[in-house]
Amino acid sequence: FMLTQPHSVSESPGKTVTISCTRTSGSIASKYVEWYQQRPGSSPTIVIYDDDQRPSGVPNRFFGSVDSFSNSASLTISGLKTEDEAVYYCQSYDDTTLVFGGGTKLTVL
Amino acid sequence: QVQLVQSGSELRKPGASVKISCQASGYNFNMYAMIWVRQAPGQGLEWMGWINTNTGNPTYAQGFTGRFVFSLDTSVSTAYLHISRLQTEDTAIYYCARAAAPRTNWFDPWGQGTLVTVSS
Repeated sequence: FMLTQPHSVSESPGKTVTISCTRTSGSIASKYVEWYQQRPGSSPTIVIYDDDQRPSGVPNRFFGSVDSFSNSASLTISGLKTEDEAVYYCQSYDDTTLVFGGGTKLTVL
Repeated sequence: QVQLVQSGSELRKPGASVKISCQASGYNFNMYAMIWVRQAPGQGLEWMGWINTNTGNPTYAQGFTGRFVFSLDTSVSTAYLHISRLQTEDTAIYYCARAAAPRTNWFDPWGQGTLVTVSS
């Protein structure tokens, strides 16, 4: 299976943005979806795990959800800050394979 | 604190080999699986496979069989990625990352990455 993300999104500081991640085969609800943030020149860091859980230290402006109807997961970031500018990757798995989405570049301008 | 520290950048010629290390600290190395991830220049994350740090059993993703070998030295809490017969397309940053908890499929922390450049 694959995970399809928009290539890029942009929004203004203080606004809200949603990044989608569509599973191409199999149910999105069958396995957890994780979200990573990768700032330029840095390693990825987890921002959402198990569909909608926030690790400690991640602000509650980050929200994860799953929609079985569209077979997609979403990462919503509210109250955008310039520091949120990064590439965001979704990740999921099946019995034998772990898959990353292609990444979405978020520009906060 | 839990930390993964990778070896430094490498420059190799096509056909050569390279071995990257990922040294863990701050936790019981045997308890958490480790994955390897490739990121080609300007590209996304690509899962290469994982290694069971308890048994040493590796699993390789499609496209990473044959020239890629995962190994461990548990005495120094270190995982290794060996790539043989390097090709220019292997130029990338290689990351190790630890399963956040036993039997989970999300990963934290990640190593700082090792840049491998393959050029004649």
